[in-house]
Amino acid sequence: GQQLNQSPQSMFIQEGEDVSMNCTSSSIFNTWLWYKQDPGEGPVLLIALYKAGELTSNGRLTAQFGITRKDSFLNISASIPSDVGIYFCAGRLENTGNQFYFGTGTSLTVIP
Amino acid sequence: GAVVSQHPSWVICKSGTSVKIECRSLDFQATTMFWYRQFPKQSLMLMATSNEGSKATYEQGVEKDKFLINHASLTLSTLTVTSAHPEDSSFYICSAIHYYNEQFFGPGTRLTVL
Repeated sequence: GQQLNQSPQSMFIQEGEDVSMNCTSSSIFNTWLWYKQDPGEGPVLLIALYKAGELTSNGRLTAQFGITRKDSFLNISASIPSDVGIYFCAGRLENTGNQFYFGTGTSLTVIP
Repeated sequence: GAVVSQHPSWVICKSGTSVKIECRSLDFQATTMFWYRQFPKQSLMLMATSNEGSKATYEQGVEKDKFLINHASLTLSTLTVTSAHPEDSSFYICSAIHYYNEQFFGPGTRLTVL
């Protein structure tokens, strides 16, 4: 299947710090989605991106659709303890159906 | 956002029995739903694509006779794990495609096979 490289794999940060993570691929995507998953629950959609260069915010979260269409970035500003969880990117390839491919996830730990 | 529900949230069954998991889109119609499996601390693994009114498309390595999928209506897809064994124990998550091509997930079902 399609590989999405997500990094970093895990992060340990102090409360109040900013966080950055990204997903890259060798293929071109026409949609990028970012999700957060808490233990024992399903992923929750955070941000959806549809156009190259698009920059979208959701509260303290900001995500960007890379210009090359092969990557996407998620930033979290002024982290708080409830930001703890696993963040996944998901991309949909150009000219395919509705199937999304998922990144390997970034585990975020926020230290109070 | 759109709401997707799953039932049951968790299930414990004996080896050899079959288990049915339901996935419902509560406030929208979904012609396409997906079934994923997730192991601890790992990403989601797509098992199959469920299309309303047609046969499901299974990913390579997923046994279609083992994991029966039925998408009988625009709001309901079911996954039946037949003759379950301990190695089938996992977290099963469904998702549904919303009108704007966004994918929304259910809360997941934890299956434990004894």
